[in-house]
Amino acid sequence: GESVGLHLPTLSVQEGDNSIINCAYSNSASDYFIWYKQESGKGPQFIIDIRSNMDKRQGQRVTVLLNKTVKHLSLQIAATQPGDSAVYFCAENGDSSYKLIFGSGTRLLVRP
Amino acid sequence: GAVVSQHPSRVICKSGTSVKIECRSLDFQATTMFWYRQFPKQSLMLMATSNEGSKATYEQGVEKDKFLINHASLTLSTLTVTSAHPEDSSFYICSARVGQGGDQPQHFGDGTRLSIL
Repeated sequence: GESVGLHLPTLSVQEGDNSIINCAYSNSASDYFIWYKQESGKGPQFIIDIRSNMDKRQGQRVTVLLNKTVKHLSLQIAATQPGDSAVYFCAENGDSSYKLIFGSGTRLLVRP
Repeated sequence: GAVVSQHPSRVICKSGTSVKIECRSLDFQATTMFWYRQFPKQSLMLMATSNEGSKATYEQGVEKDKFLINHASLTLSTLTVTSAHPEDSSFYICSARVGQGGDQPQHFGDGTRLSIL
């Protein structure tokens, strides 16, 4: 079913440090995963995705790691910048080939 | 590429008013669009899947007569909140997917903040 967050965990990092945001997904049938970034008052912005036949994928300053054994997904942001401050959501496709189930989100705060 | 535009960005209206929100895919065609609702500090909750040329598929607990969805073209889906009441106040976000494969990301509009007085 849908994942509804009752609160937002917060990760506070120093500008220039690396950030790691974690996500435990719920459905072992999920074979596609996405990370989104949502700034205040805006819609989610696609960051990076990964399919279940991979365990790592890299983008520009971001890396997604997938551990299917423990149903864990992480997003690593290198050299975190103030503009990275936002709420980050992981999403999985679950049993559906077209719907997404969103995690509860993590707020990233970057200290100058 | 893959730009989704949502309009209006903000609506404030009286209780009992019906409100229409538009979602457009600007640079691609989308046979499927999605409508979400988001409360403050919470995640996105899927309300319905909008299918071009056919009826929308609603998630459990979402009233189809309350939230009317029309997907008349490959680039436009609309959500109408009928006879809106204060409890309908929320952030409504649409998304669209490029292509039909299950391993394609959804691209989101910037949301509509609905406030019912």
